[in-house]
Amino acid sequence: KAGVTQTPRYLIKTRGQQVTLSCSPISGHRSVSWYQQTPGQGLQFLFEYFSETQRNKGNFPGRFSGRQFSNSRSEMNVSTLELGDSALYLCASSTGGGDQPQHFGDGTRLSIL
Amino acid sequence: AQSVAQPEDQVNVAEGNPLTVKCTYSVSGNPYLFWYVQYPNRGLQFLLKYITGDNLVKGSYGFEAEFNKSQTSFHLKKPSALVSDSALYFCAVRDANTGGFKTIFGAGTRLFVKA
Repeated sequence: KAGVTQTPRYLIKTRGQQVTLSCSPISGHRSVSWYQQTPGQGLQFLFEYFSETQRNKGNFPGRFSGRQFSNSRSEMNVSTLELGDSALYLCASSTGGGDQPQHFGDGTRLSIL
Repeated sequence: AQSVAQPEDQVNVAEGNPLTVKCTYSVSGNPYLFWYVQYPNRGLQFLLKYITGDNLVKGSYGFEAEFNKSQTSFHLKKPSALVSDSALYFCAVRDANTGGFKTIFGAGTRLFVKA
């Protein structure tokens, strides 16, 4: 069974630009969550989608948005990029039950110049 | 509100010795608890979980964790550490009473196993 796939693996952008990150979950998984990982703040929850609906949201500004498609693939968009958005963005999928573990992709490393 | 504390930024242990990585949590309802490991330039990998039942949970790669409700702790343990266990370890919690859909991660503990 293929794991969680995130594309691209690396991305370099400049301030003010926008970016879209993609995540393909494990087949059959309907829940996709996004996290931001930085050395200073650790792992911070962005949002979770289940069957195309946002089920949970973290404390990030509106510049961060996401969506989920009918095939469970998910995209995350960040607009008006700031230097502080430089981070590893991780996607995780699961079957959706609260007692189920999450399966993580290897992330997209976003660098803002 | 949910929270997770991993009180040690780093744990150092000699190969062959037992290891413990500490985690305490706070939820308003019953907890779902998880441990994950992260190797450099990789995503997190699931190690084990506690949902209900036996307080001692066994997981991947010889790791186990002990759930202690009175101390609200879920410490990760391994009887004999390997150099290859060196990695970043995360404890995570969900509140079962709210559906368990939001995961809160601890800050992570870096484990160094010396040969």
